[in-house]
Amino acid sequence: DADVTQTPRNRITKTGKRIMLECSQTKGHDRMYWYRQDPGLGLRLIYYSFDVKDINKGEISDGYSVSRQAQAKFSLSLESAIPNQTALYFCATSDGGGYGYTFGSGTRLTVV
Amino acid sequence: GQNIDQPTEMTATEGAIVQINCTYQTSGFNGLFWYQQHAGEAPTFLSYNVLDGLEEKGRFSSFLSRSKGYSYLLLKELQMKDSASYLCAVTGGTDSWGKFQFGAGTQVVVTP
Repeated sequence: DADVTQTPRNRITKTGKRIMLECSQTKGHDRMYWYRQDPGLGLRLIYYSFDVKDINKGEISDGYSVSRQAQAKFSLSLESAIPNQTALYFCATSDGGGYGYTFGSGTRLTVV
Repeated sequence: GQNIDQPTEMTATEGAIVQINCTYQTSGFNGLFWYQQHAGEAPTFLSYNVLDGLEEKGRFSSFLSRSKGYSYLLLKELQMKDSASYLCAVTGGTDSWGKFQFGAGTQVVVTP
C-alpha cells in the first residue's frame, strides 16, 4: 500500500458542485499539506496542518476548505467548484526533517 | 515571500551531463530541496542542501550557495528515464521549517 493515498485519482465535476478530495497516510507524520499544480505555475500551497488542531491557509486558499479528521487524514473541499479550479491536486506529508515531502499520487480534477 | 526561478526546459543527449540552475529570494532560509516529477506522477525526493557546498548522490549532485541564493542540480550520465520535470523547492522564513515554496519546474528532455 502507498504511504500517502489520495482519492479519487480522477474526477470530473460540474460548476457549482461541492467536492471533497481525501488524503490518508501511514507515515505517522504530523504535518500534512494540500497543493495544486498547474502547467507553468508549479506547485502552490492551498492549506497545511502541523497537527490535528492546527490548520493554516496557504497562498491560494480562497474557494477551498480543509478538515484534519485525525493525524492520518486530511481532506480538501471545494465548496462550489469553478472551472479555474481544474488542476492536479497533491497531498503531501512531512516529519519536518531532511527528507522533504512524501507526496500522494495526485487527484486530477476537472470542473466543467 | 519567496521567488524561485529555474529554466523552463532543457534538452540533452543520452550519456551527457545537464546542469539545472535555481535562484531564489527568500525572507529566511532553512533548506533547499530538489524533486523529480515524471508526467502525471507525484514528485519524488532527490536531494537537499542546508549548508553551502556540493552534495553527491550517485549520478545526481546538488550544490548550494546561500550568499548568492543559488543552487544547481547536476545530472550525469543521462539516461532516457531521466526525462522528467525537476522542481527546486525552498523552505524557510519565520513561520516554519516544514513549508515549501516550489519553483515552476525545469522539463528535461533526454534524446537518443
